[in-house]
Amino acid sequence: QQKVQQSPESLSVPEGGMASLNCTSSDRNFQYFWWYRQHSGEGPKALMSIFSDGDKKEGRFTAHLNKASLHVSLHIRDSQPSDSALYFCAASERTQVVGQLTFGSGTRLQVYA
Amino acid sequence: DAGVTQTPRHEVAEKGQTIILKCEPVSGHNDLFWYRQTKIQGLELLSYFRSKSLMEDGGAFKDRFKAEMLNSSFSTLKIQPTEPKDSAVYLCASSLGGNYAEQFFGPGTRLTVL
Repeated sequence: QQKVQQSPESLSVPEGGMASLNCTSSDRNFQYFWWYRQHSGEGPKALMSIFSDGDKKEGRFTAHLNKASLHVSLHIRDSQPSDSALYFCAASERTQVVGQLTFGSGTRLQVYA
Repeated sequence: DAGVTQTPRHEVAEKGQTIILKCEPVSGHNDLFWYRQTKIQGLELLSYFRSKSLMEDGGAFKDRFKAEMLNSSFSTLKIQPTEPKDSAVYLCASSLGGNYAEQFFGPGTRLTVL
């Protein structure tokens, strides 16, 4: 079983709509979480990090972390066609080699006009 | 600022060949990572260097995959011998280091093994 699981596998939302992506960890050692976005033909690029319980907002993107349930979510409001991409949740463990990330399998987001 | 550079962007190899992929990290970054990306397995860590020292060698990838960091600004990933199942996108990333550090990825090398 993957240590970082993402849902849904794919998601389609209308332009201007809200996209909600989910990530759950099966390992309580995971303490630090990231969301990365990958457009076709490019490498992943970090969107935002979240290390504390609660919400973190950056522009149209809001991440939410609940450490008790090991659940992280990413909400994209006013979705744009340029948001169409593969989104990864990534986590690092307290006990693992510092700096190393474990990635989920990704959620493919399609924003249609 | 220059980001992570990877060459070549595309590589086609015959089964059994040796191929070398190259990566130049962001200047000043201490950590360097090699990943393999496929649709089925997603992102898999191959190697992790901290200040040129190998911290993680990717376990299952040991036998035919070898990453080296010759100096702080250049790394190579050698696959020898190549097999068709090695067809994937190989990504290099670098970071300043530490649990809070963002990893910056290169554009990747798409490898096709015939």
